Amino acid sequence: EPEVTQTPSHQVTQMGQEVILRCVPISNHLYFYWYRQILGQKVEFLVSFYNNEISEKSEIFDDQFSVERPDGSNFTLKIRSTKLEDSAMYFCASSEAPGGKLFFGSGTQLSVL
Amino acid sequence: QQQVKQSPQSLIVQKGGIPIINCAYENTAFDYFPWYQQFPGKGPALLIAIRPDVSEKKEGRFTISFNKSAKQFSLHIMDSQPGDSATYFCAANLIQGQNFVFGPGTRLSVLP
Repeated sequence: EPEVTQTPSHQVTQMGQEVILRCVPISNHLYFYWYRQILGQKVEFLVSFYNNEISEKSEIFDDQFSVERPDGSNFTLKIRSTKLEDSAMYFCASSEAPGGKLFFGSGTQLSVL
Repeated sequence: QQQVKQSPQSLIVQKGGIPIINCAYENTAFDYFPWYQQFPGKGPALLIAIRPDVSEKKEGRFTISFNKSAKQFSLHIMDSQPGDSATYFCAANLIQGQNFVFGPGTRLSVLP
């Protein structure tokens, strides 16, 4: 079965540093998402992306966050100046259609020290 | 109004038991209700989903019951197995929306 791949699996950074989390969505999918999950808590929506622009974003997705599809296969999440509370598992997901079946990657565990 | 509530927080059953996980929502505009299964270190994986025009959907050992008037839906796992031990999340999304709202999760342990 096709899958969403994410790199790196773990990222450790110092507070205030920039991080870029990378994702390769399933090739024929058009809708891309970032979610995060703080340890032991629920999965939270960050942003959705379609046709090279953000289509929805949550309150969590403030000016410190940005997303980009730099080429035909990658989808990235950038956090400009990381805070301690950004420590979480970040999941990329993709779907063929809006509101359809989401396929999640295995996540990037971000630790901000 | 965007919240999805889920209970219980954790659940332990014996092999062969029928764990039931319940979810409730407020927003009547939600029209798609999936259940996701998550194993440690992995991303959530879609297990089964239902739309509000039916009251029940069954796929293998997994059944969703949906009560539109009560704004509640539940997951039943028949003949549960130790391999079903995972965290289960219910979710909901708006008509044509892309923002899935997840419940807080239920950690299920099935004892051999």
